[in-house]
Amino acid sequence: QVQLQQSGPGLVKPSQTLSLTCAISGDSVSSNIAAWNWIRQSPSRGLEWLGRTYYRSRWHNDYAVFVKSRITINPDTSKNQFSLQLNSVTPEDTAVYYCARDVLGTGDPLDYWGQGTLVTVSS
Amino acid sequence: EIVLTQSPGTLSLSPGERATLSCRASQSVSSRNLAWYQQKPGQAPRLLIYGTSSRATGIPDRFSGSGSGTDFTLTITRLEPEDFAVYYCQQYSSTPFALTFGGGTKVEIK
Repeated sequence: QVQLQQSGPGLVKPSQTLSLTCAISGDSVSSNIAAWNWIRQSPSRGLEWLGRTYYRSRWHNDYAVFVKSRITINPDTSKNQFSLQLNSVTPEDTAVYYCARDVLGTGDPLDYWGQGTLVTVSS
Repeated sequence: EIVLTQSPGTLSLSPGERATLSCRASQSVSSRNLAWYQQKPGQAPRLLIYGTSSRATGIPDRFSGSGSGTDFTLTITRLEPEDFAVYYCQQYSSTPFALTFGGGTKVEIK
């Protein structure tokens, strides 16, 4: 059974960097058939996919166009986890952030999700 | 970017009734790339259907998906009390890779 456990601060000041981590159990961040995603949800913007990282002979990243200049998703193979960094945050980045797995070859549905972390951007 | 529009916004039904939820795409979507999720308050979304019509592990057969091209449907044949929730459709595009979600349909108790 795959489990994703999120951690990170719930409050970030404007212009600073939002950092979250997602620890994986029951699978590997280096899996050749999975990808590891970050999604966020707010009342005003709904569910938004932010990006993902995955390993296919080498590490790859895909990022949503609207955050591409501000986002980094990194794997940590030593701890079997992956992280999200979102730079230069504004109150518009206030949302519940989720990590999730997708499995390639099946239409990439998000089959396992973390518990969610409410991140508030405020001074 | 493909935009997914879900309707209706809210569906008011009684337990035992049939629910039909619609998801319309702004461009044609491969049937392989369309999924549905259920979300309850305070919880993460849960995968129900992938590849338009395949049920995820553990999902009861009262949930079914259908459609093609730009029009997709999630049907719940007989609503159980635990089915009252918000439902989202989602698609992915491969070039460049992107996932997008619909705005959701809330199924509430009438």
